[in-house]
Amino acid sequence: KAGVTQTPRYLIKTRGQQVTLSCSPISGHRSVSWYQQTPGQGLQFLFEYFSETQRNKGNFPGRFSGRQFSNSRSEMNVSTLELGDSALYLCASSEGGSNQPQHFGDGTRLSIL
Amino acid sequence: GEDVEQSLFLSVREGDSSVINCTYTDSSSTYLYWYKQEPGAGLQLLTYIFSNMDMKQDQRLTVLLNKKDKHLSLRIADTQTGDSAIYFCADTTGANNLFFGTGTRLTVIP
Repeated sequence: KAGVTQTPRYLIKTRGQQVTLSCSPISGHRSVSWYQQTPGQGLQFLFEYFSETQRNKGNFPGRFSGRQFSNSRSEMNVSTLELGDSALYLCASSEGGSNQPQHFGDGTRLSIL
Repeated sequence: GEDVEQSLFLSVREGDSSVINCTYTDSSSTYLYWYKQEPGAGLQLLTYIFSNMDMKQDQRLTVLLNKKDKHLSLRIADTQTGDSAIYFCADTTGANNLFFGTGTRLTVIP
């Protein structure tokens, strides 16, 4: 089975722009979660989608949004980019029930200039 | 909110055992996880333990859970240079949002 696939792997943007990141989960997995990893704040939960609905949300501003499609693929969007948004964005998928282990992709490294 | 803590660094000699420790604060944690992150990569799920278990063994990996003290440890037997990486513990209370520790950078000395 193919693992979690995230595209693109690297992205460079400037302040004020917006960006969309993509995540394809493991086949059969219906839950997709997004995390932000920075040296200062570590790994922080952004949100989780299940059956095209946001099921859980972390403590991030409204500039961070996401969606999930009927095939379980998910996208994450960040608008009005700030320097502090530079991070590794990780996507994880799981079967969907509670307490199911999450499997991570290799992430998208976003750099803001 | 939930707080998960780990020591930042650990160095061991090749062939020795490594023990990485983690403490958490939420008594309603249901599952606890260990992930490994190598440079430039995402998180690799190593193992996990349900909160009503004390121990779980998986080949070279042994997880010990002391629920009373909210202490979790990961023991790697016969540590190899390929085990050099950052190790994260994480917990969850049932929803699919993981709370991660700061990560422990394991360096294996040949």
